[in-house]
Amino acid sequence: SAVISQKPSRDICQRGTSLTIQCQVDSQVTMMFWYRQQPGQSLTLIATANQGSEATYESGFVIDKFPISRPNLTFSTLTVSNMSPEDSSIYLCSVTGGKDNQPQHFGDGTRLSIL
Amino acid sequence: EDQVTQSPEALRLQEGESSSLNCSYTVSGLRGLFWYRQDPGKGPEFLFTLYSAGEEKEKERLKATLTKKESFLHITAPKPEDSATYLCAVQGPSGSARQLTFGSGTQLTVLP
Repeated sequence: SAVISQKPSRDICQRGTSLTIQCQVDSQVTMMFWYRQQPGQSLTLIATANQGSEATYESGFVIDKFPISRPNLTFSTLTVSNMSPEDSSIYLCSVTGGKDNQPQHFGDGTRLSIL
Repeated sequence: EDQVTQSPEALRLQEGESSSLNCSYTVSGLRGLFWYRQDPGKGPEFLFTLYSAGEEKEKERLKATLTKKESFLHITAPKPEDSATYLCAVQGPSGSARQLTFGSGTQLTVLP
């Protein structure tokens, strides 16, 4: 399976600032996703990162708060904007191949704390 | 709306004590059910995909089974290194074609 690298692995940020998280894959992939995992909870899909077009956001998540880029088939970024303590969470990137029903493979996540 | 419920929330076993984790799901048309293992500080690691009722998959001490309403992850003679959170996810026809709905996980602790 693909090797997925996320940067940074963790960060502590001030309220009102923004942070961009990078996701790099060692091979071209069809689909890339961004998830949030709040402490003690399961994974919630934020958006699907589409190559060459705007990301597709899930209910409760908006582009102004979580802008996403995907300039090519191996790289994506998620920005968490105007952060508040409620944004403290683990943010995970996942990828999957071209066929339906293929499993998603995850990076190790970015652990974000907002003071 | 797809729903996934995992039980128990937490499970403590002695080394060698076999048990099962449950994943109950509600989805209008199941495309796939996925089991993942998540260690502290790591992302979920893929274990199995099950596509239809009656299907079974095995890997070392783990065996996953699927019915029309639930999936079980059977752990035979577990070892301390099997300690992790086990996540179940379903892929249904709603939303994007590859969208997963995750359960809240079972935190397994295997004591030596």
